[in-house]
Amino acid sequence: NAGVTQTPKFRVLKTGQSMTLLCAQDMNHEYMYWYRQDPGMGLRLIHYSVGEGTTAKGEVPDGYNVSRLKKQNFLLGLESAAPSQTSVYFCASQKEGGQGVEAFFGQGTRLTVV
Amino acid sequence: AQSVAQPEDQVNVAEGNPLTVKCTYSVSGNPYLFWYVQYPNRGLQFLLKYITGDNLVKGSYGFEAEFNKSQTSFHLKKPSALVSDSALYFCAVRDILTGGGNKLTFGTGTQLKVEL
Repeated sequence: NAGVTQTPKFRVLKTGQSMTLLCAQDMNHEYMYWYRQDPGMGLRLIHYSVGEGTTAKGEVPDGYNVSRLKKQNFLLGLESAAPSQTSVYFCASQKEGGQGVEAFFGQGTRLTVV
Repeated sequence: AQSVAQPEDQVNVAEGNPLTVKCTYSVSGNPYLFWYVQYPNRGLQFLLKYITGDNLVKGSYGFEAEFNKSQTSFHLKKPSALVSDSALYFCAVRDILTGGGNKLTFGTGTQLKVEL
């Protein structure tokens, strides 16, 4: 039972390059989220999805796009990477069931943009 | 919008001593509160949550948290700290999203260091 798996775990990009981060969950959860973690700022929501084929913007969506073509996968894309996007990215999933349900997190992707 | 605050960036405690990591919240309506722990180079792991009911909530690894409505606090506690408890701890509150679903809004985190 893998839970939430993120690929890749580390990546270094040059400014202007593009990449896609993959999140896969095997718990049949409806909701999936992408957060970024920066020192002293906690985790901030980038984009989220409440079901297959649906996505929505979170707190800090600029410079990112997402897709959820399959229920188990949630992709985060950077079309033209900028140094401000250097961060640790976490994917999370949550089963539908109201506000009292906990989320499960992947191990993170450490991205450096130079 | 819901929010939580963690007033301490770092907490140091000796092994065997009790530990407390503080969290205060600001919500409209009933609070749904969570604690997560992050070990180095790892993702966040769920520790415990408060939804309703008893003000003392027990969680994983011997941790517990006390919900105090009058003080709007949800402090994380452990009676006897271990060196292996050293990690980054996040308090979080559940917030409803306008597009449906809900999200966790996190505090800035508290680094716990347990020393021999």
